[in-house]
Amino acid sequence: NAGVTQTPKFQVLKTGQSMTLQCAQDMNHEYMSWYRQDPGMGLRLIHYSVGAGITDQGEVPNGYNVSRSTTEDFPLRLLSAAPSQTSVYFCASSYSISGTEGLGFSNEQFFGPGTRLTVL
Amino acid sequence: GQNIDQPTEMTATEGAIVQINCTYQTSGFNGLFWYQQHAGEAPTFLSYNVLDGLEEKGRFSSFLSRSKGYSYLLLKELQMKDSASYLCAVPRDGFKTIFGAGTRLFVKA
Repeated sequence: NAGVTQTPKFQVLKTGQSMTLQCAQDMNHEYMSWYRQDPGMGLRLIHYSVGAGITDQGEVPNGYNVSRSTTEDFPLRLLSAAPSQTSVYFCASSYSISGTEGLGFSNEQFFGPGTRLTVL
Repeated sequence: GQNIDQPTEMTATEGAIVQINCTYQTSGFNGLFWYQQHAGEAPTFLSYNVLDGLEEKGRFSSFLSRSKGYSYLLLKELQMKDSASYLCAVPRDGFKTIFGAGTRLFVKA
């Protein structure tokens, strides 16, 4: 199994450009997510998906779009890049399990190697 | 916003024991995760606690007290390769896992 893969590993964009970060997993996980990691701020959730055709916003969704047409793929689109989006982006996947009050939540997450994005 | 607190940095000596604390505030508690992240790499799963008490896994142990909103990660027989960031994470509002800012551990010879 390849686990979680991300492309590209490094990317430099100019302000206003758009691009798509790719993420794929081969573990048949229902749950997939995108995080950004900035110095001193830990991982912040951008968007997540609990299955094909289902996505929702995380803590910092502005400026990003996602879609989930298959179980395997979960691309992240930057619509018009800004310097504030300079960051390291991680994709993750997991099984989902039932928790308290009947709500599901993500189990142990498997992370991709990350994409280092610089916006000039 | 996030309600997970961890110390920013800690330093310990090779062979020693170190305890990394994490306090959190959440409703509908569904457990607490610890991840390890080496510089320039992705986080990797270390442990998951959902019940009170200590879970031991080799040199690493994790403790949880739900009534106090408190967890710690205990690393024994420290090795240089344990120098990394340790992230505490809590599932909140279902699928929105919230991460603490992480504790950078420096292990010195």
